[in-house]
Amino acid sequence: DQQVKQNSPSLSVQEGRISILNCDYTNSMFDYFLWYKKYPAEGPTFLISISSIKDKNEDGRFTVFLNKSAKHLSLHIVPSQPGDSAVYFCAASAGRGSTLGRLYFGRGTQLTVWP
Amino acid sequence: GAGVSQSPSNKVTEKGKDVELRCDPISGHTALYWYRQSLGQGLEFLIYFQGNSAPDKSGLPSDRFSAERTGGSVSTLTIQRTQQEDSAVYLCASSPLVGTQYFGPGTRLLVL
Repeated sequence: DQQVKQNSPSLSVQEGRISILNCDYTNSMFDYFLWYKKYPAEGPTFLISISSIKDKNEDGRFTVFLNKSAKHLSLHIVPSQPGDSAVYFCAASAGRGSTLGRLYFGRGTQLTVWP
Repeated sequence: GAGVSQSPSNKVTEKGKDVELRCDPISGHTALYWYRQSLGQGLEFLIYFQGNSAPDKSGLPSDRFSAERTGGSVSTLTIQRTQQEDSAVYLCASSPLVGTQYFGPGTRLLVL
């Protein structure tokens, strides 16, 4: 049973435009959410996170939005760059502020940024 | 500083053989996790170690899978009597007591 869902397996965006990657979850116990980026033949790299007490977290070109009532989060990349082309995984945890414990991952979205 | 390292980077084995995968976490990280990613799938949790506590083994898919963490540092994931469906990328991650998980490069396992 997939508790974290990324319904778009791929997204193609022109360089300089906004990329919006979406993620839905079903478990209301999740209280911490993360985005990871993965290049081929490498492990996932942490990108940005958000706690359930917030609805937005920003880090440079990356912003994550959380809508708890809709159990939905999104990652915005502005402006998109060709180097952003990778698979993006959404992850969630019910760690309740202590050590996060296991993460539940979506299946990933392949982002392609073309010049 | 050094990140999470895993060895071997690639492993090809025959069905029925045993394999051992190794993970060296980031120094000082108390938590260590194993996940695997099968083709076209997300990351699937396998097992989680936190300090001296009993590990959370709830993600291990069968009793052919086991893992140890010696001295609170290095971990070994063992798969006995490998099957073709065990073919996947096995990823290790570590984290401090409170914090984000940092992943190693993975071990690509192919069972023929």
